Amino acid sequence: DGGITQSPKYLFRKEGQNVTLSCEQNLNHDAMYWYRQDPGQGLRLIYYSQIVNDFQKGDIAEGYSVSREKKESFPLTVTSAQKNPTAFYLCASSISTGSLNTEAFFGQGTRLTVV
Amino acid sequence: DAKTTQPNSMESNEEEPVHLPCNHSTISGTDYIHWYRQLPSQGPEYVIHGLTSNVNNRMASLAIAEDRKSSTLILHRATLRDAAVYYCILRPMMDSSYKLIFGSGTRLLVRP
Repeated sequence: DGGITQSPKYLFRKEGQNVTLSCEQNLNHDAMYWYRQDPGQGLRLIYYSQIVNDFQKGDIAEGYSVSREKKESFPLTVTSAQKNPTAFYLCASSISTGSLNTEAFFGQGTRLTVV
Repeated sequence: DAKTTQPNSMESNEEEPVHLPCNHSTISGTDYIHWYRQLPSQGPEYVIHGLTSNVNNRMASLAIAEDRKSSTLILHRATLRDAAVYYCILRPMMDSSYKLIFGSGTRLLVRP
């Protein structure tokens, strides 16, 4: 089945450690996105990528890094510089950044807890 | 980015229609109106979108005011599975990315 897969679903890390969240899609989508969600709040954009080997910062990129070496993969690294990394992280993809009738497809999320 | 305003929460009885309002008084002529919903502990899912005319699909209907300053998502018969947070989002037509700017949405509670 086509879709977008995030792994793992739950992740625990010690403070000060970098951690990488996986996001893979087999929808042949050009664009991919990372969002962060805190309890009771909406989603905030961290990074997005419109094409392989290119990505842009979103509204809250500080303390995060990404790569886009393959069309189907867009991993997010939460670095030790992120002050409050505990959150629900959501990855999304869409077919084309230029199409007016595109919808975004979201993964099931990774809940990161830093202790 | 143009902003949207939604009620924090709404309640409905199962099998009754639900009308979820959204105000977007600063909408520009080229902004599309998108709706997504998020079930508990899941990623958001697309519901519907429109520009000027009312839209229908298998999930819902979208009614857009003539001046486009507000819209209403209509669930024709609410089920327990429709209990979720509903987000009304504006997407500029000329935006070259698919950035979705989420507000806090409306939490819909469905009573059996």
